[in-house]
Amino acid sequence: TQLLEQSPQFLSIQEGENLTVYCNSSSVFSSLQWYRQEPGEGPVLLVTVVTGGEVKKLKRLTFQFGDARKDSSLHITAAQPGDTGLYLCAAASYNTDKLIFGTGTRLQVFP
Amino acid sequence: KAGVTQTPRYLIKTRGQQVTLSCSPISGHRSVSWYQQTPGQGLQFLFEYFSETQRNKGNFPGRFSGRQFSNSRSEMNVSTLELGDSALYLCASSRETLNYTFGSGTRLTVV
Repeated sequence: TQLLEQSPQFLSIQEGENLTVYCNSSSVFSSLQWYRQEPGEGPVLLVTVVTGGEVKKLKRLTFQFGDARKDSSLHITAAQPGDTGLYLCAAASYNTDKLIFGTGTRLQVFP
Repeated sequence: KAGVTQTPRYLIKTRGQQVTLSCSPISGHRSVSWYQQTPGQGLQFLFEYFSETQRNKGNFPGRFSGRQFSNSRSEMNVSTLELGDSALYLCASSRETLNYTFGSGTRLTVV
């Protein structure tokens, strides 16, 4: 069974701080995605990374796919209360179109 | 452009009953995937349908079933409900592989 472990599980920070969330696995993936989910809603796709070592930026969010395509990180600069939510990584292996989700990181940013 | 619509949003059922949940994908999207989300297990893949055929299946018991109609709308059915089936059931549609848009989910409570 492929597992995606995220760390930390919970994160509470003050507005303006920086943070990094990690997504790790022992499996190699063809692509990896990051989603944010707010209470009462479904996850919303933030980014897809497909190339080992790839870095993508989305305003204050920076996403990196590991060189070996087994891990990824999400870095948020100067966090804002609007960044609060559940962050999920998700990945697909080469031999299936099934998307496996990580364990999730619950982020709370206080004003 | 309408998003993914899931009905109903909330549902309360008694143990032993059965339930049918509905998902209308974004127009033009032929793939529909279903996920179960619980606090303990996170997002778990149930099944994926493409052009009325089940293309992938997760590790859930046979009580969980689904189908897709010619207009790409999908339903999932859970028979003989158990307390542990209480969860947020999410549907995601995509035009191409893994580029998912999620609905807001159906919150099922089994009492």
